[in-house]
Amino acid sequence: EDQVTQSPEALRLQEGESSSLNCSYTVSGLRGLFWYRQDPGKGPEFLFTLYSAGEEKEKERLKATLTKKESFLHITAPKPEDSATYLCAVQARDTGNQFYFGTGTSLTVIP
Amino acid sequence: EPEVTQTPSHQVTQMGQEVILRCVPISNHLYFYWYRQILGQKVEFLVSFYNNEISEKSEIFDDQFSVERPDGSNFTLKIRSTKLEDSAMYFCASSVETDTQYFGPGTRLTVL
Repeated sequence: EDQVTQSPEALRLQEGESSSLNCSYTVSGLRGLFWYRQDPGKGPEFLFTLYSAGEEKEKERLKATLTKKESFLHITAPKPEDSATYLCAVQARDTGNQFYFGTGTSLTVIP
Repeated sequence: EPEVTQTPSHQVTQMGQEVILRCVPISNHLYFYWYRQILGQKVEFLVSFYNNEISEKSEIFDDQFSVERPDGSNFTLKIRSTKLEDSAMYFCASSVETDTQYFGPGTRLTVL
């Protein structure tokens, strides 16, 4: 069965303290890897799509990278408003269009 | 910026009752999805819909569930006879092609 594992489960950072979130996956043929941000009681908000190893995407303080087995979401100089749960999802070649989500990393940025 | 919308935001129902959750996907999107998230758990795929028919469904999507696109804008999820374990956040999503999916704000379903 396809698996998506995110680590750490929770992360507390001081404002300005950069860090990385990890998403490791085991799928039989990756079609795409997707990062979302989810605020409490809200729907996942799209951040990035990555398709192939070596690809990188950037948006403000966030940068997503992809290897053949994992993806990292790097957060540079985070601010309190970056506090949220970050979700990783994968789409596999042999399982249609459905997304498989990880359990997420809950990020808290302390002022 | 276009968004997926969902109504109601919160639905409370009695066990055994039927509920219909409504979604308006982004207007030029062709693929529609329903996911659910039980409190504290991961987001789980239920069903995908394309060209007026179900294209995929998960094991969760049993005979108690159905989906419909009754007109050119709405996409609905019906649960015929709700159970306590159906209590969850239900998210609708849509996509132009079969990749990036955009999610709505969700409907919180509480079954008593």
